[in-house]
Amino acid sequence: GENVEQHPSTLSVQEGDSAVIKCTYSDSASNYFPWYKQELGKRPQLIIDIRSNVGEKKDQRIAVTLNKTAKHFSLHITETQPEDSAVYFCAAKGAGNQFYFGTGTSLTVIP
Amino acid sequence: DAGVIQSPRHEVTEMGQEVTLRCKLISGHNSLFWYRQTMMRGLELLIYFNNNVPIDDSGMPEDRFSAKMPNASFSTLKIQPSEPRDSAVYFCASSWGPDNEQFFGPGTRLTVL
Repeated sequence: GENVEQHPSTLSVQEGDSAVIKCTYSDSASNYFPWYKQELGKRPQLIIDIRSNVGEKKDQRIAVTLNKTAKHFSLHITETQPEDSAVYFCAAKGAGNQFYFGTGTSLTVIP
Repeated sequence: DAGVIQSPRHEVTEMGQEVTLRCKLISGHNSLFWYRQTMMRGLELLIYFNNNVPIDDSGMPEDRFSAKMPNASFSTLKIQPSEPRDSAVYFCASSWGPDNEQFFGPGTRLTVL
């Protein structure tokens, strides 16, 4: 089955700097890769997703890149703000319609 | 639309008791996902349904767990008998098809003493 690894597990950046979170997956047939943000005590919420037919997608300060050959995808947050502080999860949808989540990255943006 | 609705929001029970968690999908959605979240294991997919049919239940930990969709808009997750290691936050999420954005409910925090 699919194996999704996420790094780093914790990340601290200064306000205004960029943050990058990386995930790798094992199932080459995976075709859908969402990223979720979970604030403390709240539910996960989708912030961006990418499908296997696209290499990059951007939404304002957030971007995701996908390298199908290397089987990794990354979340990029530019001009970070304190409200970006949260736990971020990557996920991959495998060929068997199963969803596998990474272990999460706790991002802290220092004002 | 009120979003995905889960009940109860908090549940405290004793080991051996039956626990039933409930979830109401967003109107029009046809995929339903049950997740469990703990500090140790992170976010785990337990089971998901598409058009009321269970598609993948490989994440269900053991026979003590069962999930149903008695109709297109409602699902239950039952644990019988419950054990302390079942303590976690249980989320359900719904989407229009499995390849689209999942909307999570507020979660049920389960504590088994």
